[in-house]
Amino acid sequence: GESVGLHLPTLSVQEGDNSIINCAYSNSASDYFIWYKQESGKGPQFIIDIRSNMDKRQGQRVTVLLNKTVKHLSLQIAATQPGDSAVYFCAENMGGGNKLTFGTGTQLKVEL
Amino acid sequence: EPEVTQTPSHQVTQMGQEVILRCVPISNHLYFYWYRQILGQKVEFLVSFYNNEISEKSEIFDDQFSVERPDGSNFTLKIRSTKLEDSAMYFCASSEEVGAHEQYFGPGTRLTVT
Repeated sequence: GESVGLHLPTLSVQEGDNSIINCAYSNSASDYFIWYKQESGKGPQFIIDIRSNMDKRQGQRVTVLLNKTVKHLSLQIAATQPGDSAVYFCAENMGGGNKLTFGTGTQLKVEL
Repeated sequence: EPEVTQTPSHQVTQMGQEVILRCVPISNHLYFYWYRQILGQKVEFLVSFYNNEISEKSEIFDDQFSVERPDGSNFTLKIRSTKLEDSAMYFCASSEEVGAHEQYFGPGTRLTVT
């Protein structure tokens, strides 16, 4: 039968260190790749996106890298803070449509 | 800062009953969505809605589900005859434009079917 809940991959980092969260995607036709953050008891929150014709995009304290050759997406968080503790989801969007397809998620734990 | 709101925060219902989950999207947004998240699992797309009609729906969104924008502010998800497997967090989201991947999510309604 279906499991009640899946164990999320967990990344534990020390406060102030850099975090790298990885995601593998399957749909080569996706036009955008997006990172969302979900804090406990809340809905997902947009962090940053990258178009499929780019390989790097930087935001405030975050960088997203896209490697289309191996279908890999990563989110780098600089100087990780306790407030960054959350589950991070990568998502795909096919341009022209609205549907977001989310990945499984990674739990980020920031240790003081 | 404008935000998406959802009511109720938690709904308990018996199997076979109808439930309506309510959402107030951000006021200038034109596209509305429902997603669900079964405990501990990934967020799954259910349906998108624009200009008073469904623009896209997933396989999950079968005949027991329906959406409506009854007035200028509310967006609802109705589940006609709930099943145990409908127990999940249901998130409403909205965005300004088509193809927008920056979707703004509400806090969710936890639906428990007993």
